[in-house]
Amino acid sequence: KAGVTQTPRYLIKTRGQQVTLSCSPISGHRSVSWYQQTPGQGLQFLFEYFSETQRNKGNFPGRFSGRQFSNSRSEMNVSTLELGDSALYLCASSGTSGGGTDTQYFGPGTRLTVL
Amino acid sequence: ILNVEQSPQSLHVQEGDSTNFTCSFPSSNFYALHWYRWETAKSPEALFVMTLNGDEKKKGRISATLNTKEGYSYLYIKGSQPEDSATYLCAFARYSGNTPLVFGKGTRLSVIA
Repeated sequence: KAGVTQTPRYLIKTRGQQVTLSCSPISGHRSVSWYQQTPGQGLQFLFEYFSETQRNKGNFPGRFSGRQFSNSRSEMNVSTLELGDSALYLCASSGTSGGGTDTQYFGPGTRLTVL
Repeated sequence: ILNVEQSPQSLHVQEGDSTNFTCSFPSSNFYALHWYRWETAKSPEALFVMTLNGDEKKKGRISATLNTKEGYSYLYIKGSQPEDSATYLCAFARYSGNTPLVFGKGTRLSVIA
């Protein structure tokens, strides 16, 4: 089975711009979660989508949004980029409901740099 | 706010040494505890999912124990090898599981040959 893929792998943007990141889960997985990792911080949960519905949302401003398509692919969007949004963004897919006892399978991440 | 603490933050050991590190989590509303290994330039990879108090899991030279009553889990590596160098993350799931995993900041292990 192909693993979780994320595109693009690297991105450089300037403040005020917006960005869209894409995640393709493992075939058959219905849950996709997004995380942000910045230096010195653990993985911070952004949101989780399950069957095209946002089921959980982390403590991030409304500039961060996402969606999931009927084929379970997910996108996240960050509008009005700030310097502090520079981070590694990881997505993870799991087979059924997400969280709990489901193993999360991570993609390689998108490294976003905001100048 | 849920807090998942990992200690130590980083660790340097010699090849062949055994080592262990700790993950502390809230003891109430426990559902599951995950361990992941994250090697540089790779994706985090699942090691264990633990659900029962007293649970012990093993994968090769790596094992983990779980104490849900006091809210901690230990990860042990026996006879560390350079390829064990990675950041080890634990993640806590509460209630019935339809809630997001809360990750610790990880323990960064460097094994010196």
